[in-house]
Amino acid sequence: SQQGEEDPQALSIQEGENATMNCSYKTSINNLQWYRQNSGRGLVHLILIRSNEREKHSGRLRVTLDTSKKSSSLLITASRAADTASYFCATVNSGAGSYQLTFGKGTKLSVIP
Amino acid sequence: DSGVTQTPKHLITATGQRVTLRCSPRSGDLSVYWYQQSLDQGLQFLIQYYNGEERAKGNILERFSAQQFPDLHSELNLSSLELGDSALYFCASSTTGGNEKLFFGSGTQLSVL
Repeated sequence: SQQGEEDPQALSIQEGENATMNCSYKTSINNLQWYRQNSGRGLVHLILIRSNEREKHSGRLRVTLDTSKKSSSLLITASRAADTASYFCATVNSGAGSYQLTFGKGTKLSVIP
Repeated sequence: DSGVTQTPKHLITATGQRVTLRCSPRSGDLSVYWYQQSLDQGLQFLIQYYNGEERAKGNILERFSAQQFPDLHSELNLSSLELGDSALYFCASSTTGGNEKLFFGSGTQLSVL
């Protein structure tokens, strides 16, 4: 079952604009991760934010985490055509010595040159 | 290149058949994960192994089984295949199997006809 739910499901923007994707989840987490997937390819890890962190940056990426609202956002600044991909949030649930990374259904981002 | 190798890349088979998907993790990674990705279900966690032992189990059907061998490669066996098993199957690996990022292979596209 999906833990994270991304919003919007699809997003189309012009090159140079910023893209914001949101993720909501249901249970307590240890960390939240964002991954990118180019069409039909494997997922690539972008950034990990721990439950005690509120914001994290990596290059043109900015991730925020609000554990009180059980939500996270991924901001891609100055988007490029090469950023066209699907973006997934994934959460790690606390518990019982096991580590299960649960993915949402993703946001499909199209950046138009 | 993530360092995770999956074979074969494509597999076409008939209903009722049995197939084996193979995964070699990144050098030094002890934990292997299997995920199934389909259009309607998204990315579903199937199973995780750590150093040869099963660590976590997700939505894995009884017709499916997996194992991790002493050399740390893993195999996912799918039997009595049904049309609905058609999907992209990903293997991922991580160093310790804890709260860390995953490295994904490029996947095996399974088509059941």
